[in-house]
Amino acid sequence: DAKTTQPPSMDCAEGRAANLPCNHSTISGNEYVYWYRQIHSQGPQYIIHGLKNNETNEMASLIITEDRKSSTLILPHATLRDTAVYYCIVRFRNFGNEKLTFGTGTRLTIIP
Amino acid sequence: GAVVSQHPSRVICKSGTSVKIECRSLDFQATTMFWYRQFPKQSLMLMATSNEGSKATYEQGVEKDKFLINHASLTLSTLTVTSAHPEDSSFYICSAPGGGTDTQYFGPGTRLTVL
Repeated sequence: DAKTTQPPSMDCAEGRAANLPCNHSTISGNEYVYWYRQIHSQGPQYIIHGLKNNETNEMASLIITEDRKSSTLILPHATLRDTAVYYCIVRFRNFGNEKLTFGTGTRLTIIP
Repeated sequence: GAVVSQHPSRVICKSGTSVKIECRSLDFQATTMFWYRQFPKQSLMLMATSNEGSKATYEQGVEKDKFLINHASLTLSTLTVTSAHPEDSSFYICSAPGGGTDTQYFGPGTRLTVL
């Protein structure tokens, strides 16, 4: 799986949009970008994934650059409950049977 | 989304004893489950892949005789930490591919403390 690079930490004011970047310059053509988050002392939670097109769901939006070498996860209106470590993972899509390799992630702190 | 449970959520044991952690997929079947370990302020590290009806596959450096995995049914995998020592104290998390979807769902984790 392609390696990803994320900033170790970020702050965001409550109610503002949180934009979390991820670099994956070695991504191959059929690898997907997945985002998970882990709230303190809980298991990771799936957020969103995409291949090349931008994606949006009830939790977040995923913007993937045209060359697919980087992406941005957007939480449109951050709340205190969004404080967590966010992981960007790149992997082949195999209906979930492949193991996930977690990097160090970005620790997002939402400030009141 | 699919739900994965773990039991117990927290366990404290004495050094030298064995501890069993259960991972269940509640509303779907999972022929494969994954076990991760997470030390404080670190990321998740995959320990092993649990396969229903066959032996587990362990990651390099993980002792298969110390961390016994049994995937007894399509909804249950167990991880037994044998002869636990204080350095085995960690947060253990399992995951399973959500039936018919292309993502994985994680359990809430089990915090093991070995005294």
